Amino acid sequence: AIQLTQSPSSLSASVGDRVTITCRASQGISSALAWYQQKPGKTPKLLIYDASSLESGVPSRFSGSGSGTDFTLTISSLQPEDFATYYCQHFNNYPLTFGGGTKVGIK
Amino acid sequence: QVQLVESGGGVVQPGRSLRLSCAASGFTFSSYAMHWVRQAPGKGLEWVAGIWSGGNNKFYADSVKGRFTISRDNSKNTVYLQLNGLRAEDTAVYYCTRDARVGPGVYFDYWGQGTLVTVSS
Repeated sequence: AIQLTQSPSSLSASVGDRVTITCRASQGISSALAWYQQKPGKTPKLLIYDASSLESGVPSRFSGSGSGTDFTLTISSLQPEDFATYYCQHFNNYPLTFGGGTKVGIK
Repeated sequence: QVQLVESGGGVVQPGRSLRLSCAASGFTFSSYAMHWVRQAPGKGLEWVAGIWSGGNNKFYADSVKGRFTISRDNSKNTVYLQLNGLRAEDTAVYYCTRDARVGPGVYFDYWGQGTLVTVSS
């Protein structure tokens, strides 16, 4: 199974900061990667698919990039509602897997 | 609007079985692949199983292969997950999710609220 390694596992940032989260795949997955946001007690929300396509309704401060094995999720200007845990997920083949998550906290 | 409502969770002893159900509404159920994703308390997300729209193609995580079975009834707009041989490590909230694309995509645009399965003696 393809393993996804996210880094960092947690970070602290301030409102207005630019935040970058990395997801590395154990083998090439082309652009078959999605990103989700999960807030405490809530279900995950799809943010990005196909590595860089923004899901409808998601603010444009979120962006994704990468292909092959290295991917990033960037929040250009962190907002109070963005404090959450972020997960990457590949869909190159089965079994599907998620990264371990990155918790974005308040500095 | 799209709704996914899970049921069937509960407390069960190790080695026993449970069947989860997910009732879907608000979209053409028979056109979409459906999946189950779980989350152990305080842990990350783990994809468990998926089934294509027609029900003939099924896929499983290595951790549940041979113990869990996914199925669907398109006449009832419902997807199921049969959990056999339960272990303590299967304790989690189980989410029903919809594939975001007609024709498998496979990432998830809608999630149910989840049903908690607790495996404990």
